[in-house]
Amino acid sequence: NAGVTQTPKFQVLKTGQSMTLQCAQDMNHNSMYWYRQDPGMGLRLIYYSASEGTTDKGEVPNGYNVSRLNKREFSLRLESAAPSQTSVYFCASRLYRAGANVLTFGAGSRLTVL
Amino acid sequence: GQQVMQIPQYQHVQEGEDFTTYCNSSTTLSNIQWYKQRPGGHPVFLIQLVKSGEVKKQKRLTFQFGEAKKNSSLHITATQTTDVGTYFCAPPNYGGSQGNLIFGKGTKLSVKP
Repeated sequence: NAGVTQTPKFQVLKTGQSMTLQCAQDMNHNSMYWYRQDPGMGLRLIYYSASEGTTDKGEVPNGYNVSRLNKREFSLRLESAAPSQTSVYFCASRLYRAGANVLTFGAGSRLTVL
Repeated sequence: GQQVMQIPQYQHVQEGEDFTTYCNSSTTLSNIQWYKQRPGGHPVFLIQLVKSGEVKKQKRLTFQFGEAKKNSSLHITATQTTDVGTYFCAPPNYGGSQGNLIFGKGTKLSVKP
């Protein structure tokens, strides 16, 4: 099993450009998440999708949009990138049920905004 | 709002020394998870604690959940270079839907051979 696959792994953007980070999981998980990780800040939740067809804001949603395309795929879009969005982005998924709340993370996408 | 404090932020040890990281919550927790992130890698689930006073071991790693379920610790005995990385505690975020996890800022462990 591939688990959680993120693309691209690296991306450099100029301020004001747009891009979409792609995420797909093959574990039949119902919930999916986008986190960003900055030095000394831990992992902060941007958006999540508890189940197919629903999305909700997390701790730091400003400047981002998401789409839960189907049960497998959850994309994160930056409409107008800013230097403050330079970060490492992690997609994660989990099968949310009693006793099975473990998050499985993708390898990460390192984004630099100049 | 709910806060999670993890200490220390950094720890440098000589190989063979012990290491402990602590996680403190402002609220009583139903459970807590621990994750490890190797340098350049992604977080990987280590363990989940649920019961008050629970102690679980994974080889040289010992995890504890406090009696009051407001704190937790991870202790590594006789560290090895393979233990290098950042360790995160992650309790449920009761302010969010479906108990999304809230991550501590992590303890970054470096091990000198």
